[in-house]
Amino acid sequence: QSALTQPPSASGSPGQSVIISCSGTSSDVGGYKSVSWFQQHPGKAPRLMIYDVSKRPSGVPDRFSGSKSGNTASLTVSGLQAEDEADYYCSSYAGSNNLVFGGGTKLTVL
Amino acid sequence: QLQLQESGPGLVKPSETLSLTCTVSGASISSSNSYWGWIRQPPGKGLEWIGSIYYSGSTYYNPSLKSRVTISVDTSKNQFSLKLSSVTAADTAVYYCARHRPPAYSSGWDYWGQGTLVTVSS
Repeated sequence: QSALTQPPSASGSPGQSVIISCSGTSSDVGGYKSVSWFQQHPGKAPRLMIYDVSKRPSGVPDRFSGSKSGNTASLTVSGLQAEDEADYYCSSYAGSNNLVFGGGTKLTVL
Repeated sequence: QLQLQESGPGLVKPSETLSLTCTVSGASISSSNSYWGWIRQPPGKGLEWIGSIYYSGSTYYNPSLKSRVTISVDTSKNQFSLKLSSVTAADTAVYYCARHRPPAYSSGWDYWGQGTLVTVSS
């Protein structure tokens, strides 16, 4: 059982927006600004999409954005494109030099 | 361009020790702006952080694996390594090495190796 809770699946049509949630506690997501999001296509290594809750690494489209409210972080993908279909994982610092991941969300572009 | 490459046996017997090495190219492993670590993914499942190391030798381990994990760094070879002892079938996974910038508690792994599948079986 993963430390952070994500919905197993999410979907949207091309051009639409979709929000993926990542629920934790005050000991992880709610307590620190170190929340990240990763995109993973089948058979590939994860790719960092968002770090420090809402920062985008160079090269990541601005269609991807992150936010946090209380113990829940969210990843918003706007203007969905076919290539956005992938698994998405959240991660957070959990105190005492521990990092935790969510169970992952499979995003389907209809 | 920073690149990471995992290497090691793809098959390990139960109760033995899993050993993997990550070779870093395109940057010095002794850089003060990098932490190095291991993350694994069982087939069809999610990601699990194993542990991290700084070039100085400071280490940080997942509490659930801490008793079995050792991560070390070899600055002369620009490599860092993972040892996981007393393995069982539950340790079968794709093992990734990765990097993140400071601080030590960052979860922003921005460079990853391609991953290597390690199967635990007799």
